[in-house]
Amino acid sequence: DVKVTQSSRYLVKRTGEKVFLECVQDMDHENMFWYRQDPGLGLRLIYFSYDVKMKEKGDIPEGYSVSREKKERFSLILESASTNQTSMYLCASRYTGELFFGEGSRLTVL
Amino acid sequence: AQSVTQPDIHITVSEGASLELRCNYSYGATPYLFWYVQSPGQGLQLLLKYFSGDTLVQGIKGFEAEFKRSQSSFNLRKPSVHWSDAAEYFCARKSGSGGYQKVTFGTGTKLQVIP
Repeated sequence: DVKVTQSSRYLVKRTGEKVFLECVQDMDHENMFWYRQDPGLGLRLIYFSYDVKMKEKGDIPEGYSVSREKKERFSLILESASTNQTSMYLCASRYTGELFFGEGSRLTVL
Repeated sequence: AQSVTQPDIHITVSEGASLELRCNYSYGATPYLFWYVQSPGQGLQLLLKYFSGDTLVQGIKGFEAEFKRSQSSFNLRKPSVHWSDAAEYFCARKSGSGGYQKVTFGTGTKLQVIP
């Protein structure tokens, strides 16, 4: 089975802090994605990566950056967290069209 | 922009009743469409997908969906709902090509199942 692991299920941070959300997949997939999920808004794509060191902006990239130094790891970075970034963050990898999701990281910014 | 719309935010059905969740898509000659399910506290799991061919697609857990180009729809159905089907359901479509493919999701439909 494909395994997508997000390092933290729950995080609480303060406004202005730098936040790292880590995601690791174990199936050598080239494509990886970061979404945020908010009630009534569904999943919105923040960034995606189709290869090591390659990244593309999604629909809501503002306030975020990403890093993909190794194929299996895709990190989402909030340079200076703000309260409007309180959300559920979902990482996914893709193979033959199907997305495989991690269990999510719920971030609260105070 | 290519998008998907789920007009129903919340649906309640009785256990054993039939279910239909609506999904409409915009643009795209041959949309690649998906249905995902999210149980409480979990990530999303693929129920089924449509790329081409037979317009009636069978998925896991007894779900099926029918692609109707004339109505720009890809509705999800189940003939008899079980209490364990209570979850949130997302319709999605793929856009782009090659390495630039991305998947766009609808806003979701939350399903409540009552005894």
